[in-house]
Amino acid sequence: EPEVTQTPSHQVTQMGQEVILRCVPISNHLYFYWYRQILGQKVEFLVSFYNNEISEKSEIFDDQFSVERPDGSNFTLKIRSTKLEDSAMYFCASSEGLYNSPLHFGNGTRLTVT
Amino acid sequence: ELKVEQNPLFLSMQEGKNYTIYCNYSTTSDRLYWYRQDPGKSLESLFVLLSNGAVKQEGRLMASLDTKARLSTLHITAAVHDLSATYFCAVDNAGGTSYGKLTFGQGTILTVHP
Repeated sequence: EPEVTQTPSHQVTQMGQEVILRCVPISNHLYFYWYRQILGQKVEFLVSFYNNEISEKSEIFDDQFSVERPDGSNFTLKIRSTKLEDSAMYFCASSEGLYNSPLHFGNGTRLTVT
Repeated sequence: ELKVEQNPLFLSMQEGKNYTIYCNYSTTSDRLYWYRQDPGKSLESLFVLLSNGAVKQEGRLMASLDTKARLSTLHITAAVHDLSATYFCAVDNAGGTSYGKLTFGQGTILTVHP
């Protein structure tokens, strides 16, 4: 069964550094998403992306964050200057975008900011 | 602001017993999802509920949606150990024709004992 793949599985970075989290969505999916889950807390929406532009974004998704689909397969989340509170599990998801289609989530990247 | 509340947050069950997890949400939506998460793993889609009165079943799990009451239930029948996981409901809060801006509940940690 096709799946969403994310790399790396774990990223450790120092505060103030830039990180790029990478995702390969399911190939025939049209909508792409980033969510995050701080340890022990709810899963939170960050951003949705369709037709090479952001569809919706949350208040969390401030100027420090950006997303890109640099080629036909990858979807990336960049955090420009990481803060301690950015430490979380970041999940990429994709969807066919149909009314009844679920989001398919990747295995996540655990980001630790020290 | 959409709020999604689950209860209980912790559920300890004996094998063979039945129980129900409740998911209340605060604003109108006609798309509700149930996901399962095993420790350290990704989110696995269980059900997509799209209309009032929708009922879906898969194995020992049955989910229902009452859009008028803004309530969804996940019923577990004759629990087995393999069902131990965290269960999330999520409501789609996207605008217009876009999908996938999900607001998640806090999650219900289910533990099934022999």
